Amino acid sequence: NAGVTQTPKFRVLKTGQSMTLLCAQDMNHEYMYWYRQDPGMGLRLIHYSVGEGTTAKGEVPDGYNVSRLKKQNFLLGLESAAPSQTSVYFCASNPPLGLTGELFFGEGSRLTVL
Amino acid sequence: AQKVTQAQTEISVVEKEDVTLDCVYETRDTTYYLFWYKQPPSGELVFLIRRNSFDEQNEISGRYSWNFQKSTSSFNFTITASQVVDSAVYFCALSEAGGTGFQKLVFGTGTRLLVSP
Repeated sequence: NAGVTQTPKFRVLKTGQSMTLLCAQDMNHEYMYWYRQDPGMGLRLIHYSVGEGTTAKGEVPDGYNVSRLKKQNFLLGLESAAPSQTSVYFCASNPPLGLTGELFFGEGSRLTVL
Repeated sequence: AQKVTQAQTEISVVEKEDVTLDCVYETRDTTYYLFWYKQPPSGELVFLIRRNSFDEQNEISGRYSWNFQKSTSSFNFTITASQVVDSAVYFCALSEAGGTGFQKLVFGTGTRLLVSP
């Protein structure tokens, strides 16, 4: 059972390039989230999805787009990367009414924009 | 708006000392959840606990204990007899309790705990 898998784990981009981060979960979870973690700022919610085909904006959505075409996958896109998007990105998922309430996180993807 | 404050940026202790990590939150919701996550140097996020706003009982799990006080909007975390393996960044978080399981967490900025031998 792989849980939540993020690819790639590391990526270096030049300003203006585009890329997509893939989050895949094999737990049949309904809800999925993308967070970014920056030094001294904790984790902040970028976008989230409450089900296949649905997405919504979180706290810091500007510069990002997302898609949830399949229930198990949640994609985070950067159309034109900026140095301010240098961060560690975490994907998370959870089922409806889970026993513990735990959000299951991926291992993170470190993105550097030069 | 929801907010979580972890005023302690970094704490250093010597092994076997007890240490308390503070967490103060703000919310207008009457029903909400509080969380603690651990982020060891390897970088992953490890779930420690979720507490419902209706349940103010203290929780103990081995060397870990949590003190939830609604009157002071605090959800503090104590590690008893700390060990080097406890060295990590600890995050407190808050989410509304919508009843469906959907949880949009608001995180504090984290407290880095350094436990030296």
